[in-house]
Amino acid sequence: EVQLVESGGGLVQPGGSLRLSCAASGFTFNTYEMFWVRQAPGKGLEWISYIDTTGRDIFLADSLKGRFTVSRDNVRNSVYLQMSSLTVEDTATYYCARVDGYGDYDTYFFDHWGQGTRVTVSS
Amino acid sequence: QSVLTQPPSVSGAPGQRVTISCTWSASDFGADSHVHWYQQLPGRAPIFLIHADSNRPSGIPDRPSGVPDRFSASMSDTSASLAITGLRTADEADYYCQAYDRRLNTWVFGGGTKVTVL
Repeated sequence: EVQLVESGGGLVQPGGSLRLSCAASGFTFNTYEMFWVRQAPGKGLEWISYIDTTGRDIFLADSLKGRFTVSRDNVRNSVYLQMSSLTVEDTATYYCARVDGYGDYDTYFFDHWGQGTRVTVSS
Repeated sequence: QSVLTQPPSVSGAPGQRVTISCTWSASDFGADSHVHWYQQLPGRAPIFLIHADSNRPSGIPDRPSGVPDRFSASMSDTSASLAITGLRTADEADYYCQAYDRRLNTWVFGGGTKVTVL
């Protein structure tokens, strides 16, 4: 059974940093690309990042470049989201999701999701 | 504001059929776009529900096993639709469409549609 378990969320002050982790199991992690998605309270889904199987190819939402980075460890079967210079607008539940698709990037979809980890940015 | 536009809410009585639209400008996505739908039950993580695109290779199922055939999806040039027939209270959820924006190399979601069973 595919399982994705996020951790690392919590309360952080504006300007602070946080590192989220997503531990994967139930599939061959190093053969799957991964996404991060967030959802602000009461709002819709927002794609944050994509990372390929090796960790060398990374896409980030433009609005987050310079503050967020993504990485993965194929030995630990985990993907990470490093967040810095956090603002109240970053308050959200953060989900990791496995990538699936049947062609190029434009066929990619989010086939399995974790349960999410909540990040609250507040003083 | 997303480039994929969904109605904020739709509702129907138990047993009825409801449809959710997801529309975009032809300048945002091409006619061969691939659209996917997700269901998010209250307080839960989203799950992948069904593919809408007609450009899917044969042999690729349109849905995961376990998704009932009461859910169906379709696409035209600048819109996609999710239909739910035989509406049940268990279908009350938020539904999101998703596609890929080639211009920006980003994956995008519609704003979401809340389905209410009356």
